[in-house]
Amino acid sequence: DADVTQTPRNRITKTGKRIMLECSQTKGHDRMYWYRQDPGLGLRLIYYSFDVKDINKGEISDGYSVSRQAQAKFSLSLESAIPNQTALYFCATSAGQGAPYTFGSGTRLTVV
Amino acid sequence: AQSVTQPDIHITVSEGASLELRCNYSYGATPYLFWYVQSPGQGLQLLLKYFSGDTLVQGIKGFEAEFKRSQSSFNLRKPSVHWSDAAEYFCAVGPYGGNTPLVFGKGTRLSVIA
Repeated sequence: DADVTQTPRNRITKTGKRIMLECSQTKGHDRMYWYRQDPGLGLRLIYYSFDVKDINKGEISDGYSVSRQAQAKFSLSLESAIPNQTALYFCATSAGQGAPYTFGSGTRLTVV
Repeated sequence: AQSVTQPDIHITVSEGASLELRCNYSYGATPYLFWYVQSPGQGLQLLLKYFSGDTLVQGIKGFEAEFKRSQSSFNLRKPSVHWSDAAEYFCAVGPYGGNTPLVFGKGTRLSVIA
């Protein structure tokens, strides 16, 4: 099994729909992250969590929300999807400050 | 705030040729530095990291990177590129004494030709 599992791998949804992207990790790490990847823009941070009770906004949190259900689970929600949220979304986890990140395989989301 | 610049959006090299991907960072203190690789359809995989000590860091797949504080650079190198190295490469920086997530560059796409 992968260290970081993201579901679904691909999703097409309609404008205005609510959608949840799920992430779970088996590394036992406290820190989890959601990034968005767009061509030419690299990875941009949406939200991050340093432990179960900690949630922090990243640089592009508008239109997104997150839930840290347990140490191993960190979900990203789009309350009302819009086409410019079409992107590749990555979840990652790390052990602490300065530790490398372990990434999931990504969720490709298309909003039509 | 820290930032990372990867000046080259796309680089094409011949198989067997040497490679250098550039990364410049902006940060007031000593940073953590990383290089990641993303193969098509895959997530990001760690190539190497620098925290302190020897400024020449060895990574996986024959890659190395050199930290140059005076130039605020952390360039990635490989002496002989293989076709399987075609991918996107990301440089990332984090604060040594701080407590904030990594900041990633916009990436450099590497194409390898025969």
